[in-house]
Amino acid sequence: EAQVTQNPRYLITVTGKKLTVTCSQNMNHEYMSWYRQDPGLGLRQIYYSMNVEVTDKGDVPEGYKVSRKEKRNFPLILESPSPNQTSLYFCASSPGRLAGGSEQYFGPGTRLTVT
Amino acid sequence: KQEVTQIPAALSVPEGENLVLNCSFTDSAIYNLQWFRQDPGKGLTSLLLIQSSQREQTSGRLNASLDKSSGRSTLYIAASQPGDSATYLCAVLMNRDDKIIFGKGTRLHILP
Repeated sequence: EAQVTQNPRYLITVTGKKLTVTCSQNMNHEYMSWYRQDPGLGLRQIYYSMNVEVTDKGDVPEGYKVSRKEKRNFPLILESPSPNQTSLYFCASSPGRLAGGSEQYFGPGTRLTVT
Repeated sequence: KQEVTQIPAALSVPEGENLVLNCSFTDSAIYNLQWFRQDPGKGLTSLLLIQSSQREQTSGRLNASLDKSSGRSTLYIAASQPGDSATYLCAVLMNRDDKIIFGKGTRLHILP
């Protein structure tokens, strides 16, 4: 089944403890992206990647890192999480660039709580 | 900076009615606009994508229009059904760098 998977789905952690949220897609998609969704603020793009070893900042990249060493994986790294990073995180992938009209496929989301 | 606004924030209508969801954006220099659906606790599903050169797109009971010069898009849902209950988000792609800006969504509830 074609899908985008995220792990973990739920995570409660403490301030400053490094964590990684994994994202994997099995559709050989070139484009992958991370978003966070917050009440009252909507969905905001954190980072995106147009291919292996190519990553760019979205709207709210501060406090996050990403890497794209393999086509299928796009992990989101929080080196020193803070409570303002408590949010619902979504990973998405697309066959090609969004500017080319490609459709995004979203993962199920990861709910992160930083205390 | 681009701002995307969706009005209303929430809407309840009886089953069977036709309805319109609105999306407006402040910078008309968009590459495309996309409408998504989000069910509670789940990710987004793409519904319709309109390129900046297009005026509308249709899929089944859904029709999305785009007026780039006035910074507006509408999503028309015909003959609404309880299964249409969800949050609908619009998003604009600003330039060829693939940065995407979302509205905050309209939460739609179809009353049986």
